[in-house]
Amino acid sequence: AIQMTQSPSSLSASVGDRVTIVCRASQGIRNDLGWYQQKPGKAPKLLIYGASNLQSGVSSRFSGSGSGTDFTLTISSLQPEDFATYYCLQDYSYPRTFGQGTKLEIK
Amino acid sequence: EVQLVESGGALVQPGESLRLSCATSGFRFSAYWMAWFRQAPGTGLEWVANIKGDGSAIYYVDSVKGRFTISRDNAKNSLYLQMDSLRAQDTAMYYCARDVNYSDAGGHYFDVFDTWGQGTMVTVSS
Repeated sequence: AIQMTQSPSSLSASVGDRVTIVCRASQGIRNDLGWYQQKPGKAPKLLIYGASNLQSGVSSRFSGSGSGTDFTLTISSLQPEDFATYYCLQDYSYPRTFGQGTKLEIK
Repeated sequence: EVQLVESGGALVQPGESLRLSCATSGFRFSAYWMAWFRQAPGTGLEWVANIKGDGSAIYYVDSVKGRFTISRDNAKNSLYLQMDSLRAQDTAMYYCARDVNYSDAGGHYFDVFDTWGQGTMVTVSS
């Protein structure tokens, strides 16, 4: 199975900050990667697919980049509603595998 | 509006069985792959299984192969997860999700989970 490694595991930031989360695959996955946001007690929400394509209805503050093994999710100017846990998910092969998550907390 | 509603979660003992259901509405169910995910308390997300629209293709994570069975009833717009020989490690919130193929400008397809249910809790404990 492809292993997905996210960093950092947790991150403290302030409203208005620009933050970047990194996801690394154990082997090349082209750009078959999505980013999901999960708030406490809620189901995950799709933010980005195909590494860099913004899901309809998602704020343009979110952007993704990368290909092969290294990917990033960037939030350009943090808003209060962005404090959540973020997961990357590869859809290159089965089994589908997630990163361990990055918890974004208010500083 | 696309909606997914899971049910069937419960407290069961190790070795017992449980069947989860996911009732859907607002889209042509038979045209979509569907998936189950789970999240153990305080941990990350895990993909469990998915099934093609006509049921002709199914995939599982290794840890549930031979114990869990994903199925669907397109006439009832419903997805199921039969869980047998349950273990303490299966304790988790279980989510169903719609599995969609999106394409980019170059015609490459991506497998994404665009709509999720609210989850149903399964606890395996003696």
